Amino acid sequence: GAGVSQSPSNKVTEKGKDVELRCDPISGHTALYWYRQSLGQGLEFLIYFQGNSAPDKSGLPSDRFSAERTGGSVSTLTIQRTQQEDSAVYLCASSLELMGGEQYFGPGTRLTVT
Amino acid sequence: QKEVEQNSGPLSVPEGAIASLNCTYSDRGSQSFFWYRQYSGKSPELIMFIYSNGDKEDGRFTAQLNKASQYVSLLIRDSQPSDSATYLCAPRDSGTYKYIFGTGTRLKVLA
Repeated sequence: GAGVSQSPSNKVTEKGKDVELRCDPISGHTALYWYRQSLGQGLEFLIYFQGNSAPDKSGLPSDRFSAERTGGSVSTLTIQRTQQEDSAVYLCASSLELMGGEQYFGPGTRLTVT
Repeated sequence: QKEVEQNSGPLSVPEGAIASLNCTYSDRGSQSFFWYRQYSGKSPELIMFIYSNGDKEDGRFTAQLNKASQYVSLLIRDSQPSDSATYLCAPRDSGTYKYIFGTGTRLKVLA
């Protein structure tokens, strides 16, 4: 079956612009996760969803970052007034449920802020 | 702050040898543990998971878990150059169900 998909695969934006990153999880997966990975660094947790609800937003770096999920499926991560330090690969993952199941990653969106 | 520690490497092994990757974690309540492989420029790929103490084998891969020692490892038998990648250990947080990722061990298999 289809895996996790993300769009766009690459995004170049100017500092100060807003960007939206999209994640389409594996069909039937109720849990969805967003991570950020800067060049040569580990995975930084941003936020997760169980259904449409985000119980833990503690990983969002600042109030410029927000995320939503609608219909228990597609999720959008929005970064407002982008800064150069936001440049990274943004990874989405999904699992069958929050309390169990393996997590599978999408291909990521590479964001470059100029 | 719950932590996961891995030797960053690189761990260099000759082709055909056994590669041993180790991980320690601080969350005593963690019940499930995952190993991901990440090639340069790619996203992490799940290769193994283990929930119970002991060994779990899948092809050339064996995951080993010791909850008392808070230690999990991944063995790769008959290592191939195509196994060269960064291996990420990820226990699942017992309180929040988040995956806590280590920074990974870079493995280089020398032909």
